[in-house]
Amino acid sequence: EVQLVESGGGLVQPGDSLRLSCTISGFTFNSYWMHWVRQAPGKGLVWVSRINTDGKTTYYADSVKGRFTISRDNAKKTLYLQMNSLRAEDTAVYYCVRNRYSGSYLEAFDIWGQGTMVTVSS
Amino acid sequence: DIVMTQSPDSLAVSLGERATINCKSSQSVLYSSSNKNYLAWYQHKPRQPPKLLFYWASTRESGVPDRFSGSGSGTDFTLTISSLQAEDVAIYYCQQYYSNSFTFGGGTKVEIK
Repeated sequence: EVQLVESGGGLVQPGDSLRLSCTISGFTFNSYWMHWVRQAPGKGLVWVSRINTDGKTTYYADSVKGRFTISRDNAKKTLYLQMNSLRAEDTAVYYCVRNRYSGSYLEAFDIWGQGTMVTVSS
Repeated sequence: DIVMTQSPDSLAVSLGERATINCKSSQSVLYSSSNKNYLAWYQHKPRQPPKLLFYWASTRESGVPDRFSGSGSGTDFTLTISSLQAEDVAIYYCQQYYSNSFTFGGGTKVEIK
């Protein structure tokens, strides 16, 4: 069964750091571009970041550029999101997401994790 | 960035009736060389992750009931539920994957009247 399981969320103070992890199973991880998408309470979905298959190409939403870093460990089948200088507006459920098709980087998102909640509050 | 605008924000439809959701992009998401629209639709129910319904604007994901249909091209797209069922209550999002920003629409909440 294809599965994405996020972990690492929690309550932190403004300015703190947090690292999210997403462990995958059921598919060939190193063949797929991967993403992080977030949803603030009561708000819509917002794409955060993506990474290519070997981890050497990354993209970020302007709102997190310079503060967040996406990475992956293909041997451990794990996707990461290092979040630094956290702000209240980063409070959201963070989803780990897979590209629908392994052969392309511009694709819809077909597999989503259950999400992990990050709360930034003093 | 490409801005995705959905309408309406919410709608209430009687069971068995048609629900129509519109999505407009601020620029075309039709890639001319492939003649494909880089547009997806998702269904998001409470306490569940979003679920992909359609990609390439009108290609139904495996397992999606055929009462759901996606249409449109260029900048204007529509998601239609031909006969609303109770389990279709959800928020629906369109998303463009034409550009690196992968922007989503604001969502349309579908409820039972």
